[in-house]
Amino acid sequence: GAVVSQHPSWVICKSGTSVKIECRSLDFQATTMFWYRQFPKQSLMLMATSNEGSKATYEQGVEKDKFLINHASLTLSTLTVTSAHPEDSSFYICSARQNLHSPLHFGNGTRLTVT
Amino acid sequence: TQLLEQSPQFLSIQEGENLTVYCNSSSVFSSLQWYRQEPGEGPVLLVTVVTGGEVKKLKRLTFQFGDARKDSSLHITAAQPGDTGLYLCAGSRYNNAGNMLTFGGGTRLMVKP
Repeated sequence: GAVVSQHPSWVICKSGTSVKIECRSLDFQATTMFWYRQFPKQSLMLMATSNEGSKATYEQGVEKDKFLINHASLTLSTLTVTSAHPEDSSFYICSARQNLHSPLHFGNGTRLTVT
Repeated sequence: TQLLEQSPQFLSIQEGENLTVYCNSSSVFSSLQWYRQEPGEGPVLLVTVVTGGEVKKLKRLTFQFGDARKDSSLHITAAQPGDTGLYLCAGSRYNNAGNMLTFGGGTRLMVKP
């Protein structure tokens, strides 16, 4: 089955630094990738939709300058949390789909802790 | 406000009991998915229901899609500790951006041995 890999699985960084999270589709080409944020004991909240070769579409309330998304190839999207603060600590999950009508495949998530 | 309302939000039961989780919306979805998520991992797809009134079974789990494709339920028979986890329903709609998922708020299930 389709596999989506996220890296790193967990990261601890100091306040003010930037962190990059990678999302790779391992056995298919993903025209679209989605980035979610999940707080403890809550559901997934969509942050942005990333289409290969174009700018990401951000959900209302998500700062595009803080959460930089790059989808430079059909198998890789990156989320960079810039100038991270403790309130950015969360579980970040990506998903990917091959084309408009394909099912979504989820990565295993990245736990970010900002100290 | 969640487009998809899941209930209950939290459920703690003894091993062997039955339970039902509900997922309700005022919107129509082209399909609905149920996921299970364990701590520190991504959601894992359990089932997709597509047709109104459809019932699917996965061992002790029974999934039903409402006739109007606005709601769904997940019934677990004789729950086991291994069923513990966060259950998420997600409605699928197609627009010019393609297949878009909307997640419910989740139901956290704990099955005690």
